[in-house]
Amino acid sequence: EVQLVESGGGLVQPGGSLRLSCAASGFTFSSYWMSWVRQAPGKGLEWVANIKQDGSEKYYVDSVKGRFTISRDNAKSSLYLQMNSLRAEDTAVYYCAAAGGYDLLWFDPWGQGTLVTVSS
Amino acid sequence: SYELTQPLSVSVALGQTARITCGGNNIGSKNVHWYQQKPGQAPVLVIYRDSKRPSGIPERFSGSNSGNTATLTISRAQAGDEADYYCQVWDSSTAAVFGGGTKVTVL
Repeated sequence: EVQLVESGGGLVQPGGSLRLSCAASGFTFSSYWMSWVRQAPGKGLEWVANIKQDGSEKYYVDSVKGRFTISRDNAKSSLYLQMNSLRAEDTAVYYCAAAGGYDLLWFDPWGQGTLVTVSS
Repeated sequence: SYELTQPLSVSVALGQTARITCGGNNIGSKNVHWYQQKPGQAPVLVIYRDSKRPSGIPERFSGSNSGNTATLTISRAQAGDEADYYCQVWDSSTAAVFGGGTKVTVL
């Protein structure tokens, strides 16, 4: 069964840090672009970051550049998102998703999401 | 940056056809993907590359894309189709853009 499972969410104070993880199974993780997508409470979907299969290319939405870092460990079939200098507006459910093989395509599958709450 | 515009809500009678639009500048030149999200659940891909259905998605779901508008069509709408629907494209090849989402209500 193809599966993505996120972990690492929680409550953090403004200015704090958090590291999200996403464990993949059921498909060849190392062959896929991977992404993080977030959804603020009651809001729509927002793309956050992409990483190429070998980690050589990384792209971020402007609002997280310099604060978030996407990374991966293909040996562990795992994706990560290091989030620093967190702000209230980063509060959201964070989803990891596979984003395509030879190129950035569509998001499928998605994980179940992990909630990050930034509040004092 | 590229923007996608969706109606906030669409209502459809049970068994009838719902059409959800996604507007963008010359969107017909891009590949559009559609996701269904039910409350408390992760999004699910229902249409990719404008009109292709992933395995397991009913034939009642179809898509089209031309000019400045892409459309997701749900035929013979069922109660289980009630959800939020999002369109998505890639801007400058590396940044994903989502529409604001459309809430579909089956009456």
